Amino acid sequence: AQSVAQPEDQVNVAEGNPLTVKCTYSVSGNPYLFWYVQYPNRGLQFLLKYITGDNLVKGSYGFEAEFNKSQTSFHLKKPSALVSDSALYFCVWYNFNKFYFGSGTKLNVKP
Amino acid sequence: DTAVSQTPKYLVTQMGNDKSIKCEQNLGHDTMYWYKQDSKKFLKIMFSYNNKELIINETVPNRFSPKSPDKAHLNLHINSLELGDSAVYFCASSQGPGGETQYFGPGTRLLVL
Repeated sequence: AQSVAQPEDQVNVAEGNPLTVKCTYSVSGNPYLFWYVQYPNRGLQFLLKYITGDNLVKGSYGFEAEFNKSQTSFHLKKPSALVSDSALYFCVWYNFNKFYFGSGTKLNVKP
Repeated sequence: DTAVSQTPKYLVTQMGNDKSIKCEQNLGHDTMYWYKQDSKKFLKIMFSYNNKELIINETVPNRFSPKSPDKAHLNLHINSLELGDSAVYFCASSQGPGGETQYFGPGTRLLVL
């Protein structure tokens, strides 16, 4: 079945260190891929998206993601984590009017 | 000047009751959505409307009935509430249906006792 997968339920990183939140996709054709973030007791916020063009996509709050077709991945990265980045991150695939959400990865950034 | 708003924020009710959740967006978007987030934080689309027309209707019990009186509003009515309906319900909107960025409301926490 076509989908996106987030293999890590939780990622722990120290403040100031680089962070990576992983996403792999298993879809046919050229995927539309997104990252959204959900802060505690809040709605989701858009971070970035890949539709076509440059494989490196820059988004909000210093986040970026690289679309890697050979590895079918779309990992979210940030060079230096902040405690305020602690939240739940969703990788999302769009296809035929529907958005399919990954299972989410909880990012914990410790001071 | 909230972009996507939902009311109420919290809803606690008894099994068997009927309840409604309202959503409004002031972004001028054409497309609106309802999502359900379960206790494990898994998100799944329920419905989507584009220009007041239903375009997505996932496998959702027919106790759930969306209504879009105009492009800026999408309400969700739930009949005969069950324990399994307890979840957080999110409304979202986007410029159009073609993979546009979605803007989410703050969510409505529904607890069925």
